[in-house]
Amino acid sequence: NAGVMQNPRHLVRRRGQEARLRCSPMKGHSHVYWYRQLPEEGLKFMVYLQKENIIDESGMPKERFSAEFPKEGPSILRIQQVVRGDSAAYFCASSQGISPLHFGNGTRLTVT
Amino acid sequence: KNEVEQSPQNLTAQEGEFITINCSYSVGISALHWLQQHPGGGIVSLFMLSSGKKKHGRLIATINIQEKHSSLHITASHPRDSAVYICAVLRTGNQFYFGTGTSLTVIP
Repeated sequence: NAGVMQNPRHLVRRRGQEARLRCSPMKGHSHVYWYRQLPEEGLKFMVYLQKENIIDESGMPKERFSAEFPKEGPSILRIQQVVRGDSAAYFCASSQGISPLHFGNGTRLTVT
Repeated sequence: KNEVEQSPQNLTAQEGEFITINCSYSVGISALHWLQQHPGGGIVSLFMLSSGKKKHGRLIATINIQEKHSSLHITASHPRDSAVYICAVLRTGNQFYFGTGTSLTVIP
């Protein structure tokens, strides 16, 4: 029973490029959360999705960031035209309603 | 003001000491999670609580819903317990809010 799978584990992008981060939730989980952890800071909520729906994106920057969780396939967090300030660890977590929250190992994005 | 406050922010203990980390929240919740994050590593859910007390090995978590407070206790602490411990609350609507974490260092 695989846990939450995130890939890639490390991603290096130059300023202006696009970053695509993938998250496959645990089997049976339909709730996906994306969090960002900036260096030396705590976890910050970005977006909460259920299959084909964005439930809460109040933590997402208004521009350049988007997320989706299609009916088939992983959830994708997309960052367009990356800037150095986007460098962070991006964690995905999944749950099924009120159930233990399971985290992926994160994707560490470095923008050069 | 954060919806979730943790204390202390940093904690250093000698091996074998009893450790308590506190979490207070200001919103109505349906559940509270304690998470552990090792340096450079992923995040693991230790406990999910909606009432009372849970125990797993040397770890004990308690929650008082009326007082909006939870504690995580570690008995007989060990250097491998060194990590950041994060309190997360689940609000109605399935929205999670996180504390900023408590960085624990256990010295041999």
